[in-house]
Amino acid sequence: KAGVTQTPRYLIKTRGQQVTLSCSPISGHRSVSWYQQTPGQGLQFLFEYFSETQRNKGNFPGRFSGRQFSNSRSEMNVSTLELGDSALYLCASSWPTSGLDGGEQFFGPGTRLTVL
Amino acid sequence: SQKIEQNSEALNIQEGKTATLTCNYTNYSPAYLQWYRQDPGRGPVFLLLIRENEKEKRKERLKVTFDTTLKQSLFHITASQPADSATYLCALDIASTLTFGKGTMLLVSP
Repeated sequence: KAGVTQTPRYLIKTRGQQVTLSCSPISGHRSVSWYQQTPGQGLQFLFEYFSETQRNKGNFPGRFSGRQFSNSRSEMNVSTLELGDSALYLCASSWPTSGLDGGEQFFGPGTRLTVL
Repeated sequence: SQKIEQNSEALNIQEGKTATLTCNYTNYSPAYLQWYRQDPGRGPVFLLLIRENEKEKRKERLKVTFDTTLKQSLFHITASQPADSATYLCALDIASTLTFGKGTMLLVSP
């Protein structure tokens, strides 16, 4: 089975721009979660989608949004980028119905976003 | 608010020794706790899950304990190898969200 894939792997943007990151979960996984990882704050939960519905959301401003498609692929969008948004963005998928019932999370390699 | 604490300082040990990493948490009683390994530039990889009614869990050279009274989990790697060098993260189910500690870096020298 192919693992979780994320595109692009690296991205450089300037302040004020917006960015869209993509995540393809493992086939059959219906839950996709997004995390932001920085050296100072560690791994922080952004949101989780299950069957195209956002089920949980972390403590991030409204500039961070996401969606999930019927094939479970997910995208996250960050509008009006700030320097502090520079981070590794990770997506994780899980099986069978929820990532939050004790099942392991399968992480992708991440997208390294640099905001200049 | 909920806090998850892992040793921020790197743990340096010699090959063959047992590495023990600690995860402490406050203000919550999670239903389960997970441990992940993360190598530089890569996403975390799941290692073990232990539920609140389990005291100990083992997988090959790995052992996890979960003390809900002390609000602490210990993660042990026996007969450590240089290939075990990585950052190890604990994660707790808090309000239906998987919340991670900042991780402890383990360095195993030959």
